[in-house]
Amino acid sequence: KNEVEQSPQNLTAQEGEFITINCSYSVGISALHWLQQHPGGGIVSLFMLSSGKKKHGRLIATINIQEKHSSLHITASHPRDSAVYICAVIADKLIFGTGTRLQVFP
Amino acid sequence: GAVVSQHPSRVICKSGTSVKIECRSLDFQATTMFWYRQFPKQSLMLMATSNEGSKATYEQGVEKDKFLINHASLTLSTLTVTSAHPEDSSFYICSASRGAQPQHFGDGTRLSIL
Repeated sequence: KNEVEQSPQNLTAQEGEFITINCSYSVGISALHWLQQHPGGGIVSLFMLSSGKKKHGRLIATINIQEKHSSLHITASHPRDSAVYICAVIADKLIFGTGTRLQVFP
Repeated sequence: GAVVSQHPSRVICKSGTSVKIECRSLDFQATTMFWYRQFPKQSLMLMATSNEGSKATYEQGVEKDKFLINHASLTLSTLTVTSAHPEDSSFYICSASRGAQPQHFGDGTRLSIL
């Protein structure tokens, strides 16, 4: 079993839909990253959070340390949101989930 | 935000050659740089962690003589894949951080060995 599990693995949505990606982890962490990887491969860090909730534009990330769970929400999704979203936890090193491939259709 | 530049973005070379990949932090001094490898549709895997001025720490299973890492300054780390073979073909990505600050990722290098 992976130390960081993401669900769903693949997700398709219609433009405008509300999207949720989940991340569960089994190790002790100091913080958690949500990353976005575009088809070309480049990675952008969306959030780093250790408690509560953060919001940036249409993106919201929450974390529940007690339940070892985090969610990434995208409101009013758009085709340009299509990417792989990766959850990564900071334990003794950065441990990555396998990613969620999101496709948003117009 | 912080910018990490990785070069080249793509390289194709013959088996047996050595390939150097550069990772630069453009607007901050990176005390630590990380090198990752990613196979298609798989998660990133940490290869090694390098701190400026000291030897890199390699993850289990990563050959240090095969993947040479140099972190000579606070803004530059290099990964050299020596005597590359087709099985070394992969996507290599670096990241840089300063202290406890978040890691900032480069755009990656797609390496293809013929």
